[in-house]
Amino acid sequence: DIQMTQSPSSLSASVGDRVTITCRASQSISSYLNWYQQKPGKAPNLLIYAASSLQSGVPSRFSGSGSGTDFTLTISSLQPEDFATYYCQQSYSTQYTFGQGTKLEIK
Amino acid sequence: EVQLVESGGGLVKPGGSLRLSCAASGFTFSNAWMSWVRQAPGKGLEWVGRIKSKIDGGTTDYAAPVKGRFTISRDDSKNTLYLQMNSLKTEDTAVYYCTTETTSGYFDYWGQGTLVTVSS
Repeated sequence: DIQMTQSPSSLSASVGDRVTITCRASQSISSYLNWYQQKPGKAPNLLIYAASSLQSGVPSRFSGSGSGTDFTLTISSLQPEDFATYYCQQSYSTQYTFGQGTKLEIK
Repeated sequence: EVQLVESGGGLVKPGGSLRLSCAASGFTFSNAWMSWVRQAPGKGLEWVGRIKSKIDGGTTDYAAPVKGRFTISRDDSKNTLYLQMNSLKTEDTAVYYCTTETTSGYFDYWGQGTLVTVSS
C-alpha cells in the first residue's frame, strides 16, 4: 500500500496566519491527492481534489499544490472556523490511503 | 440536496456480525460509486471498500484488513448501500461513514456516520 505521511501532526496558529500542511507519499501518485477537513464529531468535508482543484463551495483561502510525492495544503488567512483536523488521501492506487491527520489548534 | 443516512450500528461481540445500511437521496444513486470509510475512536480515517455502479460493472474492492470478512452491496431500487460485517474483531470498532466516490477516487459527500462497537 501507498503510505501517506503528513507534517506536522499538530500545529498552533492564530487567526489571520498563513498556514501550510505537508503530505508526502511513499511513491509517486501523480496528482491523485485529495484534502479533507474534519471538525470534532462531524464527518470529513472535501476541500481540494486532484492536488489543486477547489471543491465547490470551499472558500478561496484554501489552496493545494504539488505532484509526484510532495503536496501542500495552504490556508492563506486563518479564520476561526478553520480550526479542525486535516487529512490528505491518495487515489492513485485503488487501495486508497489517508495521512494520519494534522490537528490545527488556536494559539 | 445530497443526503446519506447510515443506520445499523451498535454493540456486538467479537466474532459476531452486523449489517450497516446507508439510505441515499438527492442524486441518481444507481449511477454512483459508493464507498465506506471508517474512523476508530480518536484515530484517523481508513478506507474500507467500494462498490461501483452497475453500469461500470458493479464490482467491489476492499481494504486488506476487512477483505474476506466484509461485503458491500447495493439495492438501486431502494437507493440503499449495505455493509455486511462478519467475524468482527475489536479493532473494527469505529464510526463507519458512507460516502459517494467519484471516478477519480475522492469522496465528495459523506453521511453522518454510525458507531460500531465490538466488545465482549
